[in-house]
Amino acid sequence: EDQVTQSPEALRLQEGESSSLNCSYTVSGLRGLFWYRQDPGKGPEFLFTLYSAGEEKEKERLKATLTKKESFLHITAPKPEDSATYLCAVQAWAAGNKLTFGGGTRVLVKP
Amino acid sequence: DSGVTQTPKHLITATGQRVTLRCSPRSGDLSVYWYQQSLDQGLQFLIQYYNGEERAKGNILERFSAQQFPDLHSELNLSSLELGDSALYFCASSVDGRDIEQYFGPGTRLTVT
Repeated sequence: EDQVTQSPEALRLQEGESSSLNCSYTVSGLRGLFWYRQDPGKGPEFLFTLYSAGEEKEKERLKATLTKKESFLHITAPKPEDSATYLCAVQAWAAGNKLTFGGGTRVLVKP
Repeated sequence: DSGVTQTPKHLITATGQRVTLRCSPRSGDLSVYWYQQSLDQGLQFLIQYYNGEERAKGNILERFSAQQFPDLHSELNLSSLELGDSALYFCASSVDGRDIEQYFGPGTRLTVT
């Protein structure tokens, strides 16, 4: 069974204080690993897809990386508007298009 | 705005009742997915439809059913509602070809009292 574990559960940062979120996964045949951002009461917003170990993607202050067992979401010099829950999900070749999500990391950036 | 629309935004109903949630996918997307998000379970995949046909099933209860219509909109029917069914229900859509990213709608918050 595919499993995704995210850590930490919650992260409090000062504005400008860079940090990393971890997503550990177990999947039989990774088709893709996804990062989403979710604001309270809203739908997840797509950020990145990573397909193979060694791949990196960047968007503004966010950078996602992938190894064979985990992915990291680096937040560089965060701003208060980066406060959200960040969700990691995997899609396995054998599971069709189903996404298996981790529990998320709640990030709070204080000014 | 992802381009996926869901109605209604909020729904409050009593135990034992039946409700229907509606989803319109992004223009051009053939696949629709339903997910349930509760505080204790996180985001859980329920079911996928592709061009009108059921393609994959997750942990969907027998009291729940879904369908996708010829115009590609989808409905999720929840019956014999229990307190534990209170959750956010999200619809997502994808092209389902080379692109595998799923784009989520704003969700329907269901409260069962």
